[in-house]
Amino acid sequence: DAKTTQPTSMDCAEGRAANLPCNHSTISGNEYVYWYRQIHSQGPQYIIHGLKNNETNEMASLIITEDRKSSTLILPHATLRDTAVYYCIVIGKAAGNKLTFGGGTRVLVKP
Amino acid sequence: NAGVTQTPKFRVLKTGQSMTLLCAQDMNHEYMYWYRQDPGMGLRLIHYSVGEGTTAKGEVPDGYNVSRLKKQNFLLGLESAAPSQTSVYFCASSSTSGRAQLYNEQFFGPGTRLTVL
Repeated sequence: DAKTTQPTSMDCAEGRAANLPCNHSTISGNEYVYWYRQIHSQGPQYIIHGLKNNETNEMASLIITEDRKSSTLILPHATLRDTAVYYCIVIGKAAGNKLTFGGGTRVLVKP
Repeated sequence: NAGVTQTPKFRVLKTGQSMTLLCAQDMNHEYMYWYRQDPGMGLRLIHYSVGEGTTAKGEVPDGYNVSRLKKQNFLLGLESAAPSQTSVYFCASSSTSGRAQLYNEQFFGPGTRLTVL
């Protein structure tokens, strides 16, 4: 599975959009980009995933560059409850793949 | 649905003691996983199971054993606890039904906080 690089931390103002970048320059053609987050002391929570098209759900949007070497998770209107560590994970499509959680980005949403 | 539950929530052991952590899921998922998370670190996979009666090693399996006698349960055992096993343990499950691209949507439990003195 491809390795990912994320900033260690970032701050965001409440009500503003939070844009979380992720680099995955070694991603292969059949690998997906998944995003999870972990709110303090809780288990990780799935947010969104994509292959090559941009994706949107009730939680976030995922923008993947055309060459698929990087992506951005967008939280459109950050709230204090979005304060968490966000993990970008690249993984193949097969079932039972082992998620590899790197350091992630620690996002602090400030009032 | 309760989702993924873990028992106990907290536990303190002395070095050399044994214990079993229980994970239960009510989503009829085929795959189940045990992770550990040390302070300030990401999760690391200990063992996983692709179905009832099968288990496999993950990234950090030493010192742990697992069993999957029933589809809904995945047990993690520590035979002789060591201080290095002080950690938060998370269980997760995922499905192989439905859209293949969702196979890696794992559902996590609330965690078990284990301290080994």
